[in-house]
Parts: sequence; C-alpha cells; structure tokens
Amino acid sequence: AQRVTQPEKLLSVFKGAPVELKCNYSYSGSPELFWYVQYSRQRLQLLLRHISRESIKGFTADLNKGETSFHLKKPFAQEEDSAMYYCALSGLSGGYQKVTFGTGTKLQVIP
Amino acid sequence: EAGVVQSPRYKIIEKKQPVAFWCNPISGHNTLYWYLQNLGQGPELLIRYENEEAVDDSQLPKDRFSAERLKGVDSTLKIQPAELGDSAVYLCASSPGQGAFSYEQYFGPGTRLTVT
Repeated sequence: AQRVTQPEKLLSVFKGAPVELKCNYSYSGSPELFWYVQYSRQRLQLLLRHISRESIKGFTADLNKGETSFHLKKPFAQEEDSAMYYCALSGLSGGYQKVTFGTGTKLQVIP
Repeated sequence: EAGVVQSPRYKIIEKKQPVAFWCNPISGHNTLYWYLQNLGQGPELLIRYENEEAVDDSQLPKDRFSAERLKGVDSTLKIQPAELGDSAVYLCASSPGQGAFSYEQYFGPGTRLTVT
C-alpha cells in the first residue's frame, strides 16, 4: 500500500524566514511525487512535480529515495505563500494507478 | 477556459435523502476523478474514469454511492441514502492522457455537502 505522511498540520514562520514543509512516503516502487497547494477560497492546484525538477514561486522539492522524503522548501517565505499544502504520490497499487494525498500542512506566514 | 465545473457548490440535506453532484471536466481531458475530502484531511479517491470506463472504483462505497460518465465527458456522483458521516467536500478533477501516465490533475471548486 502507498502512504503519504505530512507530520505537521500547521507551520508558522515569519516573512523572510526559510520554509520546509515535510513529506514522507511509503511505496515499494518508483513513485511520482507532487506538491499541490490550495490558497484561501481557491481550488486545489498543482505547485510542482518531482520529475520536472523545477522551481515554482521560489519553491523546490527534492526526492530523497533513501529517506523516502519529498520535502518542500523555500529560502524566504512571503505572505502570499500562506496556504494549505498537500503532498501527493502517484503509483501502482493493486493494479491501478493511484494518487494518494497527505493530510496537508497549513503554512502561515507572519508579517 | 472555465476549468473544471462542479455543481451545486453547496448542498444541505436531511439524512436518508438522496443527493447528486455534477462535474464537467476540462475539454479534451480523458480522465476524470471524484474525491472525498473530510475536514482536516487530504482528498481521498472515490472513483477514476478513463473516458466512460470506471477504471478504479475500489474505494467507492457501492452500497450507497454510484457514479456515471455516460458519454465520456461530464459525470454524476450520487449518494442514496445519505448518512451523517457523508458530510464532506466532494471534489472532481480531470487530467489529460490516461493509463499509466501521471498527469497533472485540475480540480474543480468542490461541492460542500452537509447532512443533517
């Protein structure tokens, strides 16, 4: 079975401080990992995916297979980064391609 | 482009009543998903369609939930009868492509269901 764990329900940081949103996963094969974001009163949307290896809105995430982690990082938090962040894993489970979401972390950037 | 459209946005019903949600995916997207999102949780997949075929309904509680995507475009999710525990946000998403490829999912605004 595949599982995604986001240990923090809430992360509060000051504007300009570094941000790290933690994501750990459990999956026996080679996963595809994503970060989705939901800003207040907006719909869930893709932030980035590990295979793209790109930086979006200053955020990056590196897949660490040894630690089975895909932490989301940003060197300097901005107020507009305040949102719910969900880590998601796509993999084969029971013959189906499944996407499993974590429980989410609310990022609060304090001005 | 309106994106994924869902209706209604909010629904309040009494327990044991039926309810239906409608979703229109982004034009050209073959794959359609229905998710359930409880308060404080991430989305949980209920069913996934590729065109009109339900390729993964393993998480759908079939005793009371049903879904259809008759022409491979829009879809309806039904609950009959609703229970108090069904109160949640029901999300629809779509993505281009199908099969083993994992594409970005585009989410609708969701329908917030309250069962009293």
